[in-house]
Amino acid sequence: NAGVTQTPKFQVLKTGQSMTLQCAQDMNHEYMSWYRQDPGMGLRLIHYSVGAGITDQGEVPNGYNVSRSTTEDFPLRLLSAAPSQTSVYFCASANLGVGFSGANVLTFGAGSRLTVL
Amino acid sequence: TQLLEQSPQFLSIQEGENLTVYCNSSSVFSSLQWYRQEPGEGPVLLVTVVTGGEVKKLKRLTFQFGDARKDSSLHITAAQPGDTGLYLCAGDNTGGFKTIFGAGTRLFVKA
Repeated sequence: NAGVTQTPKFQVLKTGQSMTLQCAQDMNHEYMSWYRQDPGMGLRLIHYSVGAGITDQGEVPNGYNVSRSTTEDFPLRLLSAAPSQTSVYFCASANLGVGFSGANVLTFGAGSRLTVL
Repeated sequence: TQLLEQSPQFLSIQEGENLTVYCNSSSVFSSLQWYRQEPGEGPVLLVTVVTGGEVKKLKRLTFQFGDARKDSSLHITAAQPGDTGLYLCAGDNTGGFKTIFGAGTRLFVKA
């Protein structure tokens, strides 16, 4: 099984450009989410989805859009990139509520490193 | 806003030493997870604890969930260079979908 696949692995953008980070999972997980990881700040939740057609905001949603048209895919769109969005982005998925009283056991992709100049 | 504070932020020790990493919050969580992350990769789940006072062991790693479900600790016995990595605690609440993470403890074990 591939698990969670993120593309691209590296990307450099200029301020104001737009782009989409792709995320796909083959585990039939209902839950998918996007995090950004910055030095000293851990992982911060951007957006999440609990199923096709359902998305909601996390801690730091501004500047990012998401959609969930299928169970497998959860792309993250940057509409107008800013230097503050330079970060490593992680997509994660989970099978909701399995095994541990509703705990979300997250499976992460390998990350996408984005630099905005 | 729920916060998870990890300490220490950085730890450099010799092979064979013991260490403890702490994860503290003022909020109650229904479960806490510990993840380990290596450079260039995503975090990988080590353990989930759900019951106050629960202790789980994974080889040389011992995880404990506080009685009040507000804190957790990770103890490593006889650390090895292969334990080097970033250790992250994460918490969520039953029925909620916003797993939050601590800032992490970066561990370096010297041979």
